[in-house]
Parts: sequence; C-alpha cells; structure tokens
Amino acid sequence: SQELEQSPQSLIVQEGKNLTINCTSSKTLYGLYWYKQKYGEGLIFLMMLQKGGEEKSHEKITAKLDEKKQQSSLHITASQPSHAGIYLCGAQGGSNYKLTFGKGTLLTVNP
Amino acid sequence: ETGVTQTPRHLVMGMTNKKSLKCEQHLGHNAMYWYKQSAKKPLELMFVYNFKEQTENNSVPSRFSPECPNSSHLFLHLHTLQPEDSALYLCASSLLSGRAQDTQYFGPGTRLTVL
Repeated sequence: SQELEQSPQSLIVQEGKNLTINCTSSKTLYGLYWYKQKYGEGLIFLMMLQKGGEEKSHEKITAKLDEKKQQSSLHITASQPSHAGIYLCGAQGGSNYKLTFGKGTLLTVNP
Repeated sequence: ETGVTQTPRHLVMGMTNKKSLKCEQHLGHNAMYWYKQSAKKPLELMFVYNFKEQTENNSVPSRFSPECPNSSHLFLHLHTLQPEDSALYLCASSLLSGRAQDTQYFGPGTRLTVL
C-alpha cells in the first residue's frame, strides 16, 4: 500500500517568515492533494496537483509536484497566525485510486 | 447550505449504548466516505459508497454499521463500542470514487468519546 511521509512533523515560525512542508510518497503519484485542518475539525481542501512539475497557488500558499522524486512541497510565504493548523498531504494510488494520507505537519505561527 | 455537514459534532457514549452519526452532502456528489482519525495516526478509510452501493469496507469491525439511503446521506450506526474507538470521525464526498483526480470534500467531523 502507498505510504506518505511528511516532514517536518511540527513547525513553529514567527509571523512573516516563510516555510516549507514536504510530502514524500513510497509509490507513484497519480494525484497529490493538500488539505488544512484546524484541531478537531474537518479537512479543508487547498489544492490538487496531478502532473510532474505542476505548481499551484492558493493565496500565499504554493505547492509543487516533483513526479520523479514522488514528492510534493508546500510553501507558505510571509506566514500569518491564520495559517496555523495541521497540513495534510493525500495521494491517490493503486488500482482503485484510494486516497492515502500522511500523518500531517502541525504549524504554529507566533505573532 | 455548507458542502458537507455532520451531526452531532460531539458524542459521548457508554460501551453498551447504540448511537448513530449522520452526514449530509449538498455538492451533488455520488460518492461518500467514512474516515477515522485517531491521535498520531494517519486518517484511516473505513467505508466507501458509490451511488448508494458500498464499494469498500476496510476491515472495519462489525460494531460499526454504515448506511447510505441515497447519494446525499450517509450514516454510521454504532453499538457496543470500545474505548479505543474514541476518535474524530470524518465524512467526505466526491464526484465519483475510483477515479484519478477525484477531490474529496470533508465535513467538520464528530468527536466521539467512548466511556
């Protein structure tokens, strides 16, 4: 089964700083999803990447997909307290395109 | 109406109780999902329904019983649960399961505590 490893597990940054979260897959990626979750709440869809080299942005959040490395990175520019939460990557794989998730990265942004 | 709603948001039950979780989607999707989220573990897929038909049961114990009366509603019936079943239960929907690039949209979750 497909496994996703996210790094770092947690991150504390000062407001205004840039940061990057990585997601690496054990198998070929057919679609890579980024979600944000506030503690104890549902997942909010951020963006989906499907092609190698693809890059998408949502407000100050940019995600890229490196298909060869089976890896995606999520970059936040000029972080704000509203960016705080858990960022989860999900990937589709296997014959039924089941969505598998990483364990998440907990982001804290200090004002 | 927001995309995917879940009720109740919080539930505390004893091991001998019977309760149900409800999920409703207003996105016109055809697939619905139940996930379990426990502390320090990745999201675990429990069940998948496509057009009301169950297409996946991820080896879930029989004390969890799903029901999908139509493409917009999904229930999870709970009975004789164990304390280790305490978790956040998330419902999601998508256009059609089993396809590539099929984005799932999630509800706010039900925080379940089993005493």
